[in-house]
Amino acid sequence: EVQLVQSGAEVKKPGESLKISCKGSGYSFTTYWIAWVRQMPGKGLEWMGIIYPRDSDTTYRPSFQGQVTISADKSISTAYLQWSSLKASDTAMYYCARLEGSSSSSIDYWGQGTLVTVSS
Amino acid sequence: QLVLTQSPSASASLGASVKLTCTLSSGHSAYAIAWHQQQPEKGPRYLMKLNSDGSHSKGDGIPDRFSGSSSGAERYLTISSLQSEDEADYYCHTWDTGFGVFGGGTKLTVL
Repeated sequence: EVQLVQSGAEVKKPGESLKISCKGSGYSFTTYWIAWVRQMPGKGLEWMGIIYPRDSDTTYRPSFQGQVTISADKSISTAYLQWSSLKASDTAMYYCARLEGSSSSSIDYWGQGTLVTVSS
Repeated sequence: QLVLTQSPSASASLGASVKLTCTLSSGHSAYAIAWHQQQPEKGPRYLMKLNSDGSHSKGDGIPDRFSGSSSGAERYLTISSLQSEDEADYYCHTWDTGFGVFGGGTKLTVL
């Protein structure tokens, strides 16, 4: 069974750093792209970027380039999303998702989401 | 520019059918899309991938009540025999080289 299990909810202050995780199981983690998707409170889904765990090839949506870092550790089948300096506007639910094929393909599995709250 | 357009809301009665629409932007009518369901307070769930010819492949455990079809730049999700648990937000999603795009979502109310 394919599963993407994300790390738990976080409450942080503005300016703090954060790294959330997404652990894949039930499939060959290194051969499927992982996407990160943001959902701000009461809003829709936004594509942030993708990573190919085998070689850590990464592509960011332009509006997220430089704002977050996507990485992966293939030895433990885990992808990460990190911030070096959080802002209140980063408050959102973050989902990881698996792409079914190439970097240009459908999402076919979702993680359960990680709620990030940034507040002073 | 690759854009997906969805109506913000739809409603239908328990036991009835509903057809949700996702429209691809000009010049992108050949693109496949995917439909995802997000029930209240839950994460999204992949429903199906839908090609321009109307062929579709569903995700694990998706009931037969969910089906997809296509016409030109329009992609449809039809839900028959509506149940209360079908009340959810429905997002269409497409992709191009190295990036994905989501529609704004349709909030389905089951009356």
